[in-house]
This record gives sequence, C-alpha cells and structure tokens, in this order.
Amino acid sequence: KNQVEQSPQSLIILEGKNCTLQCNYTVSPFSNLRWYKQDTGRGPVSLTIMTFSENTKSNGRYTATLDADTKQSSLHITASQLSDSASYICVVGHGGATNKLIFGTGTLLAVQP
Amino acid sequence: NAGVMQNPRHLVRRRGQEARLRCSPMKGHSHVYWYRQLPEEGLKFMVYLQKENIIDESGMPKERFSAEFPKEGPSILRIQQVVRGDSAAYFCASSPPDRAPYEQYFGPGTRLTVT
Repeated sequence: KNQVEQSPQSLIILEGKNCTLQCNYTVSPFSNLRWYKQDTGRGPVSLTIMTFSENTKSNGRYTATLDADTKQSSLHITASQLSDSASYICVVGHGGATNKLIFGTGTLLAVQP
Repeated sequence: NAGVMQNPRHLVRRRGQEARLRCSPMKGHSHVYWYRQLPEEGLKFMVYLQKENIIDESGMPKERFSAEFPKEGPSILRIQQVVRGDSAAYFCASSPPDRAPYEQYFGPGTRLTVT
C-alpha cells in the first residue's frame, strides 16, 4: 500500500532554534519527493522537490534530504522564525503515468518567542 | 501572473443540496488536480483532469461526485446531494504541460460545511 508517514506529529521550538522533521514512505514506483508548507487556512506551498538521483536540496533556511535506499527523507529548518509556524507535509510523487501525489498527514510546527 | 484561484472560499450547504466548487488554474497550465482534506487528515487525491479530459479519477467517490475541465472556463467539482461527511477543505492544484516532475501549484481551497 502506498503510504507516507511523518514524525513527529507536532513540535514546539523556540525562535532561533533548529529542528528536523522526518518522513518515511512506501510508495512504488517512486518518482519524486516534495516538502510543502501549509499555513492554517491556506493551500500548500512547495519548498523542495527531489528526484531519485538527488539526495539533498536547499531552499533558504530549509534543507531536505532523501535516502532512496531506506525510503526516508528529512526537512531541516535552521534559525527558526515565528513565521515558520505551520504544517509541513511530506509528499511523494507516484511514478505512474498520472504523477499522483501521496500526502503525509504533516508535522505541525509551532515556533514560540 | 495570478496564482491558482478557487471560489467560493467558504461554502455552506444543507444536507441534500448541491455544491459546486470552481478552480481557475494558473495561466498556461492545462493540468488540474482536485484534493480533499478531511479534518485532522492529510490531503487525498480525487481526480486529475486535462482540458476536456478526465485522466485519472481513481480517488473520486463513485456516487454524487463529478468533475470537469471544459475547453473554456474553470474546472468544476460538483457534489450532488451533499451529506455531513462531505464537510472538508477541497484544494485544487494546477501544473504546466509537459514538464516533469510536474510541479503542482495549489489554490487556497474551498471549505465546505454541510449542515
């Protein structure tokens, strides 16, 4: 069964601290892995996309890693800001013809002053 | 270049009524995807359309739900005879043609409440 699991479910950190979010997937065939940020009441916004051959990608203070052998990914946020408070969703692109996306349930991050 | 637009943003329907959700993709995008997000759950794929064609509707409930993406105008997700379990946020995403890995840009969503 195609699944994406994320941990932790929720996380509270202090402003300025770093954190790492985890993602495990069992999607086959695999096409790509994305991390999205979703603010409350808004649509998801893409942070990074990685294909099978990429093992790291950065977007500002966000760095995603991918280990296709163990089917794990992580999203590292450095020097957190209050505006980083959101749900972070790991999404795996299915390798079939329609590029269907399989979503994790997200990690809810709260950055406190 | 305006982003993906969805309307209405909030929709309240009584049980048994019809709900119509609209999605205007980004300019130049010919692929549209609809997702549903139930409370406390992740987004679930419903349907993938290109202009005038349904490509993959494997996530659509077999009854009461339909989707279209006409040659002109927005994509429409239609829910007939709504029930309380249809209450959810419905997101539309669009992507440009012929570009792997098909970056999908999401709209702000329509929050449907069935009373």
